[in-house]
Amino acid sequence: KNQVEQSPQSLIILEGKNCTLQCNYTVSPFSNLRWYKQDTGRGPVSLTIMTFSENTKSNGRYTATLDADTKQSSLHITASQLSDSASYICVVSANTGGFKTIFGAGTRLFVKA
Amino acid sequence: DVKVTQSSRYLVKRTGEKVFLECVQDMDHENMFWYRQDPGLGLRLIYFSYDVKMKEKGDIPEGYSVSREKKERFSLILESASTNQTSMYLCASSPLGQPLSEQYFGPGTRLTVT
Repeated sequence: KNQVEQSPQSLIILEGKNCTLQCNYTVSPFSNLRWYKQDTGRGPVSLTIMTFSENTKSNGRYTATLDADTKQSSLHITASQLSDSASYICVVSANTGGFKTIFGAGTRLFVKA
Repeated sequence: DVKVTQSSRYLVKRTGEKVFLECVQDMDHENMFWYRQDPGLGLRLIYFSYDVKMKEKGDIPEGYSVSREKKERFSLILESASTNQTSMYLCASSPLGQPLSEQYFGPGTRLTVT
């Protein structure tokens, strides 16, 4: 069964600290993995996208990694800011010849001053 | 910038009412999607469309229908709203080339059915 599991469900960190969010998936055959940021009351916005051959990609203070062998991805946030408070959603697409995208439930990040 | 707009941010309807949620995108995208988002669950696909007048069922189409008469507009219809359809509804669009293409999301409509 195609699944995307994220951990932790929620996380509280102090401003300026780093954190890492995890995503494990069983989606097959794998096509690509994306991380989205969703601010409260807003739609998700893409942070990174990685295909099978890519194992790391950065977008400012956000760095995503992908291990296609273990089917794991992580999103590392460096020097967190209050504006990083949001939900982070891992999304995996399968290359089935048709459309199949599986969304994780998200990690809710709270950054405290 | 791609812009996806949804007709309402908040909506309150009564059980049994017919509900229309409208979505418009301004980037000439072929693909459009409707999702619902509930606490503790990932976004779940209700319906999607890859062309005008074309539609495909997603994972949870029951109780919903859609309409795509124009390329830029994709409507979600709840024929007879029920309380278990209380949720956040998100519309998205993407250019041809899924699953590699990024989806662009609207701000969402929070629907409450009483």
